[in-house]
Amino acid sequence: EDKVVQSPLSLVVHEGDTVTLNCSYEVTNFRSLLWYKQEKKAPTFLFMLTSSGIEKKSGRLSSILDKKELFSILNITATQTGDSAVYLCAVGGGSNYKLTFGKGTLLTVNP
Amino acid sequence: DTEVTQTPKHLVMGMTNKKSLKCEQHMGHRAMYWYKQKAKKPPELMFVYSYEKLSINESVPSRFSPECPNSSLLNLHLHALQPEDSALYLCASSQEAGPGTDTQYFGPGTRLTVL
Repeated sequence: EDKVVQSPLSLVVHEGDTVTLNCSYEVTNFRSLLWYKQEKKAPTFLFMLTSSGIEKKSGRLSSILDKKELFSILNITATQTGDSAVYLCAVGGGSNYKLTFGKGTLLTVNP
Repeated sequence: DTEVTQTPKHLVMGMTNKKSLKCEQHMGHRAMYWYKQKAKKPPELMFVYSYEKLSINESVPSRFSPECPNSSLLNLHLHALQPEDSALYLCASSQEAGPGTDTQYFGPGTRLTVL
């Protein structure tokens, strides 16, 4: 059975801190790993990673994939209160077109 | 434009009611999805449509009936629901349902309450 495990499940930091969120996976026929940010409503897309070792960056957020060790990290530098959200990791794989989601990491950034 | 729209935003219905959720995208995406999300849980896949044909049904009870009238629209017809079906129902779309095109764009969701 496909599995995606995120850690930590929750994290509380102060503004300006740097955080690292982890996602490990066991998925047959891996295709891609995606990161989403979910505030009160729908998940919003952050990154899609398909190749090992290539960092993707968007502002203060960056992510990298290690296909040998089967994990990805999402880094957020100089955190702001607006970064408070649940960060979801999802992996595409298997013989169908399904994304398998992790349980998410709840990030709280305090002023 | 990466917008997926859903209506209504909120829906309250009784167990004997029949209602429909609607989803629309104009990105030319050929794959559309319905997810159910309970509080503090990740989204759970319900259905996948690829090129307007149902390709995945994740063993969803028949009281949920999807419909894809055209490539831009996806409906979810609801009938005889149970209180435990109360959840956030998310629609998503992706370019296609296949390798390299996994990025799914989500709509804002419909918050459903079944009394």
